[in-house]
Amino acid sequence: DAGVTQSPTHLIKTRGQQVTLRCSPKSGHDTVSWYQQALGQGPQFIFQYYEEEERQRGNFPDRFSGHQFPNYSSELNVNALLLGDSALYLCASSVRDRGTGGELFFGEGSRLTVL
Amino acid sequence: AQKITQTQPGMFVQEKEAVTLDCTYDTSDPSYGLFWYKQPSSGEMIFLIYQGSYDQQNATEGRYSLNFQKARKSANLVISASQLGDSAMYFCAMRESSGAGSYQLTFGKGTKLSVIP
Repeated sequence: DAGVTQSPTHLIKTRGQQVTLRCSPKSGHDTVSWYQQALGQGPQFIFQYYEEEERQRGNFPDRFSGHQFPNYSSELNVNALLLGDSALYLCASSVRDRGTGGELFFGEGSRLTVL
Repeated sequence: AQKITQTQPGMFVQEKEAVTLDCTYDTSDPSYGLFWYKQPSSGEMIFLIYQGSYDQQNATEGRYSLNFQKARKSANLVISASQLGDSAMYFCAMRESSGAGSYQLTFGKGTKLSVIP
């Protein structure tokens, strides 16, 4: 049973470019969340997708957008990249409506470097 | 105010000894969940243990136990019989309920644990 898979694992972009990161959730999971983890920090919530709609959003600008597909996989898009967008981007999947105890399974992340 | 506070940036422990990683939290929500994750250098966040706010007993998972003191709003992780493979970053996180029915995790800044042979 595959866990959460993310691609690409590493990528380098320049300021002003756009990037798309991809995530396939764990089998049986219907909800995907994205987190940004800057170096030396804990992950910060970007947004969550369920039933192909953004359900909740953290304190991130509109340059960060996403999508969820009918097979529950998800994309994170970041436009007009800034140096400060350099981070590890983590995808987490879960089953909705499991209450506060519903476990999140994380992928290994996509490490983005903006030059 | 920070919702999750981890005051120990780094900790050292001798192999086979026990270690406690501190975590305090802040919420006014009566229903919440507390999590501990381990993050090795590979980057993946590995779930260790969960404690619900209404759980009467402290959670345990193998060598991991959570010392939950609700009145003090603390949820310390205890690792018994430390192993070299326990060297990693450890994050405390909280999930609060919301009327929208979706749940996000709020993480602390983490504690880097180093196990010494």
